[in-house]
Amino acid sequence: KNEVEQSPQNLTAQEGEFITINCSYSVGISALHWLQQHPGGGIVSLFMLSSGKKKHGRLIATINIQEKHSSLHITASHPRDSAVYICAVRFHQFYFGTGTSLTVIP
Amino acid sequence: DTEVTQTPKHLVMGMTNKKSLKCEQHMGHRAMYWYKQKAKKPPELMFVYSYEKLSINESVPSRFSPECPNSSLLNLHLHALQPEDSALYLCASSPQDRGYEQYFGPGTRLTVT
Repeated sequence: KNEVEQSPQNLTAQEGEFITINCSYSVGISALHWLQQHPGGGIVSLFMLSSGKKKHGRLIATINIQEKHSSLHITASHPRDSAVYICAVRFHQFYFGTGTSLTVIP
Repeated sequence: DTEVTQTPKHLVMGMTNKKSLKCEQHMGHRAMYWYKQKAKKPPELMFVYSYEKLSINESVPSRFSPECPNSSLLNLHLHALQPEDSALYLCASSPQDRGYEQYFGPGTRLTVT
């Protein structure tokens, strides 16, 4: 069993749709990270959360510590949002989810 | 400067070669990380340096040898690699080891022949 589970694994959306990616974890954590990786490899850190909610542009991330669950939302999705989104948590060591591959179709 | 740079971008090496990967940041971060990423898999943590000292080694084979000569620079020395070591090697840094966002470099795509 993975310590970090993401869903869905793959997601295809039409441009403009509201998107939600979920992350559940089974370990106690000090922080949860949402990462974005485009084809070709570069990783960008989108959010680091230890409680509540954060917003950056069209991206919103929430975390519920009691339920050990986090969501990443993308409003008004755009083809340039197509990427793999990875949830990662840190307690004593790092645990990564397997990623959600998002494709936004024009 | 909010960038982590990695060189080279691509590297092809034979199993008997010795090569090094280089990572550099000038953000004053005191924690630096090496990750290995195979295709369609999430990154796997290899090493963590905190204040230029190795703080985590995730049971990485000795054919991978990290080095942190100063607070801005992180190297990964490679020797006698196997074809299964072919992967994307990512470097990251953060202000300190815990509780901070990580900034990732673009990676070095390594092919072992």
